[in-house]
Amino acid sequence: AQSVTQLGSHVSVSEGALVLLRCNYSSSVPPYLFWYVQYPNQGLQLLLKYTSAATLVKGINGFEAEFKKSETSFHLTKPSAHMSDAAEYFCAVTPPGKGAQKLVFGQGTRLTINP
Amino acid sequence: ETGVTQSPTHLIKTRGQQVTLRCSSQSGHNTVSWYQQALGQGPQFIFQYYREEENGRGNFPPRFSGLQFPNYSSELNVNALELDDSALYLCASSRLTSGISRGELFFGEGSRLTVL
Repeated sequence: AQSVTQLGSHVSVSEGALVLLRCNYSSSVPPYLFWYVQYPNQGLQLLLKYTSAATLVKGINGFEAEFKKSETSFHLTKPSAHMSDAAEYFCAVTPPGKGAQKLVFGQGTRLTINP
Repeated sequence: ETGVTQSPTHLIKTRGQQVTLRCSSQSGHNTVSWYQQALGQGPQFIFQYYREEENGRGNFPPRFSGLQFPNYSSELNVNALELDDSALYLCASSRLTSGISRGELFFGEGSRLTVL
């Protein structure tokens, strides 16, 4: 079985500061990992994904994440926060291969940006 | 804008009633998934349809059922509604693949169901 743990249900940073959202996963096989973002009253949008190629993955809006197998982590970072980054962020995992594309999501981290 | 549309956006039902939620997939996608997102929680996988057949199901009882139509639109039906069914129901379309685009889902904005 696969699972995802996001450390910190709420994170608050100042505009221009570093954003760090933490995600740890549990999987019996090397997984595919994702970060999705949900803006208020909207559905989820893919930010970035890891699929066993480069361990440092760059996504949209200046976000990036690093896959660390030894730490079973996939933390999301952005060097300089912008007010428009305020949203809910979800880490998710799915096994590679055939079969249903079932994503297992974490509980989410709400990011607040202070002016 | 993902090209995935859901209806209705909001609805209120009472316990014991039945509800049907609808989803129109993005053009070119052959797979539709449904997720339940309770308040303050991450989305939970309900089931997935591929070529009009259910090809994966999460830990949801049989009163949650679905349909996928030849044009790849989809319905989620929930019978005998319970208070705990109150949630945002998200539809996501994709192309079923074992390749690197696996897991890339395109979500609609959801249908918010309140059960009283």
